[in-house]
Amino acid sequence: KAGVTQTPRYLIKTRGQQVTLSCSPISGHRSVSWYQQTPGQGLQFLFEYFSETQRNKGNFPGRFSGRQFSNSRSEMNVSTLELGDSALYLCASSLETSFDGYTFGSGTRLTVV
Amino acid sequence: KQEVTQIPAALSVPEGENLVLNCSFTDSAIYNLQWFRQDPGKGLTSLLLIQSSQREQTSGRLNASLDKSSGRSTLYIAASQPGDSATYLCAVPKAYGQNFVFGPGTRLSVLP
Repeated sequence: KAGVTQTPRYLIKTRGQQVTLSCSPISGHRSVSWYQQTPGQGLQFLFEYFSETQRNKGNFPGRFSGRQFSNSRSEMNVSTLELGDSALYLCASSLETSFDGYTFGSGTRLTVV
Repeated sequence: KQEVTQIPAALSVPEGENLVLNCSFTDSAIYNLQWFRQDPGKGLTSLLLIQSSQREQTSGRLNASLDKSSGRSTLYIAASQPGDSATYLCAVPKAYGQNFVFGPGTRLSVLP
């Protein structure tokens, strides 16, 4: 059974640009959650999508957005990149909710220069 | 507000030792708790998921216990190996069905 797939693995972008990251959950999983991981802040919750709807949202500015497609694949977008957006972005899939546990992808390492 | 702490922040042990990692959470009204490991620069690998109705879960050399009343969980690693070197994170839900809140992790080094 295929795991959670995140693409791309690495990205280098310039300040002010925008970026789109992709996450394909485990087949049959309907919930996708996104986290940002930095050395100083640890793992911080961005948002969760379920059945193409944003179900929960963390405390990030509106520059961070996402969506989910009918096949449960999810994308997150960051506009007007800042140096502080450099981080490992992790996607987690679960069957329905966190009650079912999370399975994480390998992450996308974003570097903003 | 759910907050999660982990002690110790870092641990270095010789190969073969048994060790215990600790996780504490402020809101004991949780429905489950999950332990993960993370290798440098990689994603998180799920180790054990404990539902609130369970007291412990075991997988190979790993055993995790959950004491909701005291707001604590422990991860026991038996006969540690160099391959166990990683950061170990625990996570509890913010509320039922909501996102997981993560602890800062314990960085484990097992020396050959």
